[in-house]
Amino acid sequence: KNQVEQSPQSLIILEGKNCTLQCNYTVSPFSNLRWYKQDTGRGPVSLTIMTFSENTKSNGRYTATLDADTKQSSLHITASQLSDSASYICVVSGSSASKIIFGSGTRLSIRP
Amino acid sequence: DSGVTQTPKHLITATGQRVTLRCSPRSGDLSVYWYQQSLDQGLQFLIHYYNGEERAKGNILERFSAQQFPDLHSELNLSSLELGDSALYFCASSVGGSFRGGYNEQFFGPGTRLTVL
Repeated sequence: KNQVEQSPQSLIILEGKNCTLQCNYTVSPFSNLRWYKQDTGRGPVSLTIMTFSENTKSNGRYTATLDADTKQSSLHITASQLSDSASYICVVSGSSASKIIFGSGTRLSIRP
Repeated sequence: DSGVTQTPKHLITATGQRVTLRCSPRSGDLSVYWYQQSLDQGLQFLIHYYNGEERAKGNILERFSAQQFPDLHSELNLSSLELGDSALYFCASSVGGSFRGGYNEQFFGPGTRLTVL
């Protein structure tokens, strides 16, 4: 069964600290993996997109890694800011559009 | 602001009714995607149109249908509404028409919140 599992479900950290969010998937064959940031009640915003041949991609303070062999990805946030408080969603696409699987997200809260 | 617009922002209706959600993609984007986000199921892909033609279907119910018009705006029609259809409905757009392309970035609209009473 094609699945995307994210951990932790929720996370609270202090402003300025770093954190890492995890995404494990079983979607096969694999096409690409995306990380999105979603503020409450708003549409998701793309952070990174990676294909199987890429193992790291950065977007400012966000760095995503991908290990296609172990089917794991992580999103590392450096020097967190209050505006980073949001849900972070991992999305894995398979070989066809019907295989677009969303993780349930990690809800990140940054405390001052 | 992603450049994708959706109307209405909120919609409240009764079970059994029919509603139409509208989406205008970013200027220059040929693809429109529809997603449903409910509290218990998270985000789910519904359907994808590229330049007026249906390109792919995801978990879309038979009671739901969509189309993309020559001016590239899209409408999602939901009929025989049930309580479980209450959700946020997002539209996204992209330049290209393939999910396989690693750099076919999708830009999401602000969503339409549908409440079925």
